[in-house]
Amino acid sequence: GAVVSQHPSWVICKSGTSVKIECRSLDFQATTMFWYRQFPKQSLMLMATSNEGSKATYEQGVEKDKFLINHASLTLSTLTVTSAHPEDSSFYICSAGGNGGPYNSPLHFGNGTRLTVT
Amino acid sequence: DAKTTQPTSMDCAEGRAANLPCNHSTISGNEYVYWYRQIHSQGPQYIIHGLKNNETNEMASLIITEDRKSSTLILPHATLRDTAVYYCIVKGDSSYKLIFGSGTRLLVRP
Repeated sequence: GAVVSQHPSWVICKSGTSVKIECRSLDFQATTMFWYRQFPKQSLMLMATSNEGSKATYEQGVEKDKFLINHASLTLSTLTVTSAHPEDSSFYICSAGGNGGPYNSPLHFGNGTRLTVT
Repeated sequence: DAKTTQPTSMDCAEGRAANLPCNHSTISGNEYVYWYRQIHSQGPQYIIHGLKNNETNEMASLIITEDRKSSTLILPHATLRDTAVYYCIVKGDSSYKLIFGSGTRLLVRP
């Protein structure tokens, strides 16, 4: 159980275009999802917290107008990288909490989306 | 959330136990210790978590010291597929949010 599916697994786009990444919780409902970014040989960096039915909460230094997050249902959150540039090339990973509540329930992660902006 | 300190890298022989230490000396009473691992180019995989008692599951054992200031993740019989970056994370009980540190790069040698 507790499977998180991310799509696409990789995408190549041209500079200036926008890219949408989907994150779905397949067998549970997730009121909260998280988006991370990971550059080569570095750790995961939390970008934002996605809250179902309300605005996302962004970490310091993350541009909310560039990284649009929508969490319209309990099983789907989307991250749109707008006007992508080569420096946005990275590995984007989403995660969602399980049904057990945050006090004793792990986050489950998708398999990531590798974005390459040319 | 409390900060954790892990060795940058470790190695062990296939079939032997891998013991990965983590220091979390500023952990507070309601914070759990979580372990995840990330195999190259994949999302992190949950391994185990605990509050103060030792825990064991099909993947690993977690030993937490009595003062809770450090812990050890034990992979009892490491295989080549256990080569990954292992993250020890301390998390409070009111949020799902996980903040990743640098982790330990474990190399399992044939």
